[in-house]
Amino acid sequence: AQTVTQSQPEMSVQEAETVTLSCTYDTSESNYYLFWYKQPPSRQMILVIRQEAYKQQNATENRFSVNFQKAAKSFSLKISDSQLGDTAMYFCAFMRGGSQGNLIFGKGTKLSVKP
Amino acid sequence: DTEVTQTPKHLVMGMTNKKSLKCEQHMGHRAMYWYKQKAKKPPELMFVYSYEKLSINESVPSRFSPECPNSSLLNLHLHALQPEDSALYLCASSQGGQRLNTEAFFGQGTRLTVV
Repeated sequence: AQTVTQSQPEMSVQEAETVTLSCTYDTSESNYYLFWYKQPPSRQMILVIRQEAYKQQNATENRFSVNFQKAAKSFSLKISDSQLGDTAMYFCAFMRGGSQGNLIFGKGTKLSVKP
Repeated sequence: DTEVTQTPKHLVMGMTNKKSLKCEQHMGHRAMYWYKQKAKKPPELMFVYSYEKLSINESVPSRFSPECPNSSLLNLHLHALQPEDSALYLCASSQGGQRLNTEAFFGQGTRLTVV
């Protein structure tokens, strides 16, 4: 069975600064995908970034980047130049390759960006 | 159009009522999902439909009955619910088919309260 662990229930950061959210996972699979989703107070789950396990290069999307350490089973999210709109719950998620979108989520990290 | 639309946004129902949650997407996705999210918890998968056929049922009680009338619509019929079923119900879709590993797009959810 796969598990996803987010060890930081809450974090805060000043606007324009950089923050890193941690995620570790456990799996015996070799083919899998990792995601970071954001859930603001509006409730909608929004995909922030995805990483294919077979790719060594870390994914980046504008101000968002990941540090994917496959051997350590670590998948942290770095948010640069934090903005007030980044305030949200952030979920790390695992999906086994070839599965039908069965996402396994971590418990989430509540991020507050302060002006 | 990258939207998944859920109706209603809020629903209050009694334990003897019958109600339905609706989900619609026009992205041509062939996989659709229902997730349940309790307060301050991550989403948990309930059902997966692939090409309008139920492919995954995560041991959900029979008082929840999913239906996929066509490739764009997904319903969740509710009957004889319990107060502990109160939660945010999220619908999601992904491309499905051979592209099983693509990310899921989520709707804004239906906040359900059972009284």
